[in-house]
Amino acid sequence: GIQVEQSPPDLILQEGANSTLRCNFSDSVNNLQWFHQNPWGQLINLFYIPSGTKQNGRLSATTVATERYSLLYISSSQTTDSGVYFCAVEPLKAAGNKLTFGGGTRVLVKP
Amino acid sequence: KAGVTQTPRYLIKTRGQQVTLSCSPISGHRSVSWYQQTPGQGLQFLFEYFSETQRNKGNFPGRFSGRQFSNSRSEMNVSTLELGDSALYLCASSFLAGAPEEQYFGPGTRLTVT
Repeated sequence: GIQVEQSPPDLILQEGANSTLRCNFSDSVNNLQWFHQNPWGQLINLFYIPSGTKQNGRLSATTVATERYSLLYISSSQTTDSGVYFCAVEPLKAAGNKLTFGGGTRVLVKP
Repeated sequence: KAGVTQTPRYLIKTRGQQVTLSCSPISGHRSVSWYQQTPGQGLQFLFEYFSETQRNKGNFPGRFSGRQFSNSRSEMNVSTLELGDSALYLCASSFLAGAPEEQYFGPGTRLTVT
């Protein structure tokens, strides 16, 4: 099946710093989502971005589908940005909804 | 519009017992998928239901089963619980199956097997 690799696995930031999280995937996809998992376990939708670039406040994401990677940018980080960020994809050949998740990037923003 | 809801939120069971978890999708959504999250294996797909039919299944033993009702609510059942079934179980809903679209997750049910 499709492989999804996220890097780095852990990231420690000082409040106000910028960062880039990366997601590589091994096959063509027709769905790519970025999530932030809150301390209670819920996955919060950040971006639905199978291709192109999107921005939402201090967060932005870019997916280059032809090169099989996506980037999540966090600018001017805040302590509330702490948590685990997941990238999830659905292969082009898949029927139905079946997301494959990466291992996540654990982010800690220090005040 | 209300989000995806899951009940119960927390559950403690004993090895050998069975458990049923419930998921109500966002109003109008017809596809419900289930995922298991453990520290060792991460987030893994269990199965997906659309129009009361299982459309996709992940690589889990037959002890894991599910169903979907005509109102799109879904339940998953785990029989003969094992310690390794302790996990956060998440469900997700989307409007249509068959077309790539955004999935929305519920808060999860945290199952502890003792």
